[in-house]
Amino acid sequence: DQQVKQNSPSLSVQEGRISILNCDYTNSMFDYFLWYKKYPAEGPTFLISISSIKDKNEDGRFTVFLNKSAKHLSLHIVPSQPGDSAVYFCAAMQNAGGTSYGKLTFGQGTILTVHP
Amino acid sequence: DGGITQSPKYLFRKEGQNVTLSCEQNLNHDAMYWYRQDPGQGLRLIYYSQIVNDFQKGDIAEGYSVSREKKESFPLTVTSAQKNPTAFYLCASRHPGSGSGANVLTFGAGSRLTVL
Repeated sequence: DQQVKQNSPSLSVQEGRISILNCDYTNSMFDYFLWYKKYPAEGPTFLISISSIKDKNEDGRFTVFLNKSAKHLSLHIVPSQPGDSAVYFCAAMQNAGGTSYGKLTFGQGTILTVHP
Repeated sequence: DGGITQSPKYLFRKEGQNVTLSCEQNLNHDAMYWYRQDPGQGLRLIYYSQIVNDFQKGDIAEGYSVSREKKESFPLTVTSAQKNPTAFYLCASRHPGSGSGANVLTFGAGSRLTVL
């Protein structure tokens, strides 16, 4: 049962344009969401997160939007740069701050390629 | 520099052999985790430990074992009972305390295990 889904395996974007990565979830108990970026043969690095009490969180070029009614979140990267080319994973947590500390459920990942 | 060190980076194993993957952290984090990544799939939780001398099974613990004798160390043994052990293994730890930062996992660079 895939509770977190990234339905687009890949995305190709021109440098300077916006990249939009999407993620859907099924578990309504998830209350904290994170995006990780991963280069080949390396561990994922944390990018940005959002609590379920918010609908938007922004950090520089990166903005995460959360639509709880649709159980959907998205990551916007503006402007996209070639160095952003990587695999992006969304992840979700249930009962954040409680007994589920750190137990993340990950999506399958989306390969982002930003062309110069 | 504080971080998580995984070794070896690449490991080859013959069928029927047990192998142990090392994970060491100097971040003074209490909780540690092992995830597995397969192509086209998200990261799946194998085992986690919230505190020394205690650990819990994750979603795919069968065929794996762990120990947590020291705060800094959380080795993972892939046993011969694991039917499909070829994968990329990632160790992670979590910042202690409360607040949104406590929901973020820090990952090591990973170990790639190939069964011949």
